[in-house]
Amino acid sequence: QSALTQPASVSGSPGQSITISCTGTSSDVGSYNLVSWYQQHPGKAPKLMIYEGSKRPSGVSNRFSGSKSGNTASLTISGLQAEDEADYYCCSYAGSSTNWVFGGGTKLTVL
Amino acid sequence: EVQLVQSGAEVKKPGESLKISCKGSGYSFTSYWIGWVRQMPGKGLEWMGIIYPGDSDTRYSPSFQGQVTISADKSISTAYLQWSSLKASDTAMYYCVREYSSSWYYWGQGTLVTVSS
Repeated sequence: QSALTQPASVSGSPGQSITISCTGTSSDVGSYNLVSWYQQHPGKAPKLMIYEGSKRPSGVSNRFSGSKSGNTASLTISGLQAEDEADYYCCSYAGSSTNWVFGGGTKLTVL
Repeated sequence: EVQLVQSGAEVKKPGESLKISCKGSGYSFTSYWIGWVRQMPGKGLEWMGIIYPGDSDTRYSPSFQGQVTISADKSISTAYLQWSSLKASDTAMYYCVREYSSSWYYWGQGTLVTVSS
């Protein structure tokens, strides 16, 4: 199975908003509202930021939001802060044979 | 508090076998899927497979089917990932994860596996 497609890198200045896309197919992102997003700082375990496409776990800032259109899911971070600089991964359920698939990851740089 | 505590770093030679562990605590171990995620050096996350400790239902990513074995011992709330014959390309950080609303909310601290002759 192929990984979901994410841009390799995005950047923004403090206070700005950025959006990271996650493109899949009709067999994964397009078929299920089960996209999740993870933030990973260097040397750390990933952290869940968004689940079921647009829900935030307790404790995650409301500056993080998720959405989906067709086969593409998106993560938007508003009011960028220096601490948001990290790698971000999307993940989607892809049916009973493949189960789950991650995106290739996006490096966010806060300028 | 939900915790997933993984076994320590391993250094192995090609061809050797290995079993790493992930002990869950703070929740009903038999009621949630536990998965394994690989991260090769400098690379992204790869989903390997999951197990439901309640009935040992196990599912693998096609990329990892036949390459690893996932198991669990519910009597000690521990999940395992094992290899029968390691390769250099198995060098990676391995994370165990626990399911929450069809996502991976809880992560272990990771186990670094290094395979080198």
